Amino acid sequence: EIVLTQSPANLSLSPGERATLSCRASQSVSDSLAWFQQRPGQAPRLLIYRASTRATGIPARFSGSGSGTDFTLTISSLEPEDFAVYYCQQRSDWPAFSFGPGTTVGVK
Amino acid sequence: EVQLVESGGGLVQPGGSLRLSCAASGFTFTSYWMGWARQVPGKGLQWVANIKTDGSEKYYADSVKGRFTISRDNAENSLSLQMNSLRVEDTAVYYCVREEWADCWGQGTLVTVSS
Repeated sequence: EIVLTQSPANLSLSPGERATLSCRASQSVSDSLAWFQQRPGQAPRLLIYRASTRATGIPARFSGSGSGTDFTLTISSLEPEDFAVYYCQQRSDWPAFSFGPGTTVGVK
Repeated sequence: EVQLVESGGGLVQPGGSLRLSCAASGFTFTSYWMGWARQVPGKGLQWVANIKTDGSEKYYADSVKGRFTISRDNAENSLSLQMNSLRVEDTAVYYCVREEWADCWGQGTLVTVSS
């Protein structure tokens, strides 16, 4: 089973600041990694797939990078609606698509 | 508009059964693998099961294998999850997911297993 770890667990930032979130896999997942955003009371929303491809309708301030075991989600300039929980998910270990524990981006 | 709408959640006693349904619309249902994920309130996400386009392949998380059954009705554009021998630890919000990189999620339905 591939285990994902996310850091930091919590991130306190102000609107307009840059957010950098990390996801590390216990073994290589190549580029089979996705990022999701979950706002309170809502279902998760796909942001990035295949490590760096933005999903339909996702603003350009969201970007993903990495391959193998180390991945990064960057939000270039935080908007008020971006304060949420972010999860990474590996889709290499078919079909056991494990998720990371999440990073909460909160208002400083 | 792509839409997934779950139903069937509720309160059930340990050892009981429940059947979740998901109505899909706005896309060609038969072209997509579909799946279920769950989330304990306030906690993280867990993949539960998924099913191939024609229903010929089904996969389950170890924690639900032998107790849950995923199925689909392509004529009705619907997905189901039959949950038997429910445990307290199965309490969660259950989401229907389109398995194209999980690019579409339903709003979720809450299943509470408690005596």
